[in-house]
Amino acid sequence: QQQVKQSPQSLIVQKGGISIINCAYENTAFDYFPWYQQFPGKGPALLIAIRPDVSEKKEGRFTISFNKSAKQFSLHIMDSQPGDSATYFCAAGTSGTYKYIFGTGTRLKVLA
Amino acid sequence: KAGVTQTPRYLIKTRGQQVTLSCSPISGHRSVSWYQQTPGQGLQFLFEYFSETQRNKGNFPGRFSGRQFSNSRSEMNVSTLELGDSALYLCASSLGTLHSGNTIYFGEGSWLTVV
Repeated sequence: QQQVKQSPQSLIVQKGGISIINCAYENTAFDYFPWYQQFPGKGPALLIAIRPDVSEKKEGRFTISFNKSAKQFSLHIMDSQPGDSATYFCAAGTSGTYKYIFGTGTRLKVLA
Repeated sequence: KAGVTQTPRYLIKTRGQQVTLSCSPISGHRSVSWYQQTPGQGLQFLFEYFSETQRNKGNFPGRFSGRQFSNSRSEMNVSTLELGDSALYLCASSLGTLHSGNTIYFGEGSWLTVV
């Protein structure tokens, strides 16, 4: 019940295309869903986060879509660029704690 | 504002030895959490500290321990190292107050290789 399932494991997208990464959770106590971007040799960096009271959040080219009833959320990267090539992790957490459950990661490669 | 600082960045240890990793959080942040990252298991929560108190602990053996000092700096220790402890150890900091939200900010990690 503590798992966060992330798919796909890897993704190749053409420059200018849309990258979509999906995550699903089971524990309804989760109320905070961040996405992290990690480049090789670096720590994960917060990209965007959402709470269950909204269905969508957009920041620049990055959008989180959240479906509370299906217990799923996804990251959309619009106009994908080669510089977006990185590993993306979804996570789920509960208010009052910084114990996150992370997805297994998606390695994104954007072709120039 | 300086980010989360972790030292050392890289280290090699022998099986059976112990290791101590250090983390300095972002200035003003009072909460520190630790994660282990491996290719096979991904990012796994180790423990979380706030005001020198451990608030949460992940499913790791007792060989993994940590502490937080009054200046919010934190250390984690792994004793009797095993080959499987080879990983990137990430420290993350956050404001820690009840109404500060859940955002955590990671450091660049300490790469531990056990031989």
